[in-house]
Amino acid sequence: GAVVSQHPSRVICKSGTSVKIECRSLDFQATTMFWYRQFPKQSLMLMATSNEGSKATYEQGVEKDKFLINHASLTLSTLTVTSAHPEDSSFYICSATGINEKLFFGSGTQLSVL
Amino acid sequence: GENVEQHPSTLSVQEGDSAVIKCTYSDSASNYFPWYKQELGKRPQLIIDIRSNVGEKKDQRIAVTLNKTAKHFSLHITETQPEDSAVYFCAASKNTGFQKLVFGTGTRLLVSP
Repeated sequence: GAVVSQHPSRVICKSGTSVKIECRSLDFQATTMFWYRQFPKQSLMLMATSNEGSKATYEQGVEKDKFLINHASLTLSTLTVTSAHPEDSSFYICSATGINEKLFFGSGTQLSVL
Repeated sequence: GENVEQHPSTLSVQEGDSAVIKCTYSDSASNYFPWYKQELGKRPQLIIDIRSNVGEKKDQRIAVTLNKTAKHFSLHITETQPEDSAVYFCAASKNTGFQKLVFGTGTRLLVSP
C-alpha cells in the first residue's frame, strides 16, 4: 500500500510551547489529508480536513487557532499545536488519500505536554 | 451526521476459532465501509473494505458482509491466530472521493494460543 510518513513519532514539550507535526505522502499525491487525535483505548476523532492549497475544514469543537493546519503541497500537511497544555497530550495521527480513494495513515505522534 | 456503533468492545477467542465484529451506521447515504486493524501505539492498517454495491467481500481469512437495508456490516475472521490480536475499527463514509470517515468505537480482539 501507499506510504504516509509522520514526524516526529514522539514529542515531549513544556506547557505553553508550540509543536509542529509533519505528515508526508511519500509515493502518491495526497489531494486530501486528515488529522485525528486518539486518546488511550478510544477511537479516532477527526479534527480537521485539509485540501492542498485551501484552508482546512475543522470539526465542531476543534479550535482552529490552537490547531493550525497547513497543506501547502500535494505531499505535505502540517499540524501545529500552539501554546500546548497538558490536556492537549494525546496521540495525533494523520491520514491521506489520493486519486485511488483509499485512505492511508501516518504512524502517529505521541504528544506529551508537561 | 453519520454515527457508527461497533460491538463488542472486547472479544476473546481461542486460536483457531472465528471472530465476528459488528457495526451499524445511521446515514443511508454512506457507501464505503473500511475496516482497520491497529496494534498498540501503531497506525491503523486497512485490512479490507467494501462498497455499497456489493454484499460480501472476502480476502483469505477475512471477510466483510454488508446489509444496506438494515444498515449494518460485519467483519469475520476465520481460523484466528495470536497475531490477529489488536484493536479493530470499522468506519463509514458517504463520499468515496473525499474519504471523510466516521469511525466506530473499536473492538479489542484477543486471540489466546
